[in-house]
Amino acid sequence: AQTVTQSQPEMSVQEAETVTLSCTYDTSENNYYLFWYKQPPSRQMILVIRQEAYKQQNATENRFSVNFQKAAKSFSLKISDSQLGDTAMYFCASVGAGSYQLTFGKGTKLSVIP
Amino acid sequence: EAGVVQSPRYKIIEKKQPVAFWCNPISGHNTLYWYRQNLGQGPELLIRYENEEAVDDSQLPKDRFSAERLKGVDSTLKIQPAELGDSAVYLCASSPRSEQFFGPGTRLTVL
Repeated sequence: AQTVTQSQPEMSVQEAETVTLSCTYDTSENNYYLFWYKQPPSRQMILVIRQEAYKQQNATENRFSVNFQKAAKSFSLKISDSQLGDTAMYFCASVGAGSYQLTFGKGTKLSVIP
Repeated sequence: EAGVVQSPRYKIIEKKQPVAFWCNPISGHNTLYWYRQNLGQGPELLIRYENEEAVDDSQLPKDRFSAERLKGVDSTLKIQPAELGDSAVYLCASSPRSEQFFGPGTRLTVL
């Protein structure tokens, strides 16, 4: 079984600043994947970044990067140079390597302030 | 490449009425998922298809919910009869492997 916890229901950041969203997880799997999804008001769930647990190097996608601490079971998302279009709900999710069932956290509502 | 298509985007019905949602996955994606997302929560899996076979429907309330994926392409999720607690966003996703691609969802309101 997997659980994902996002302890920040809401956050805000000034445009062009950096913000970090927290996520912790628990899993009995030896190998698994971790994801951050963005869900704007349009409701479309968009994949932001993914991390494979067996890779030690933190994933990076343009302004988005993660801090993956496997021993601590922590997977935070850093957004640099925040833009107004980053305003959305952000969901952390995990899935076992041999499984298809994504387990989502409850989400963090991020507001980027002009 | 077209994404996952869902219709309708919004649906308002009275309780005890039936309702159906439609999903067309990304071409070539054999795995299709239906999720329910309650307000302020993350999505929760209802059912997963591999081609036309439902391989995980343990979370689907089978007394009122049904789903089908004839020919292993598009899929329909039905609720009959709907209850007030069914108000939620119903998301469809498809995947080639571990990464899932989501549609825009259908927001259901049951009055």
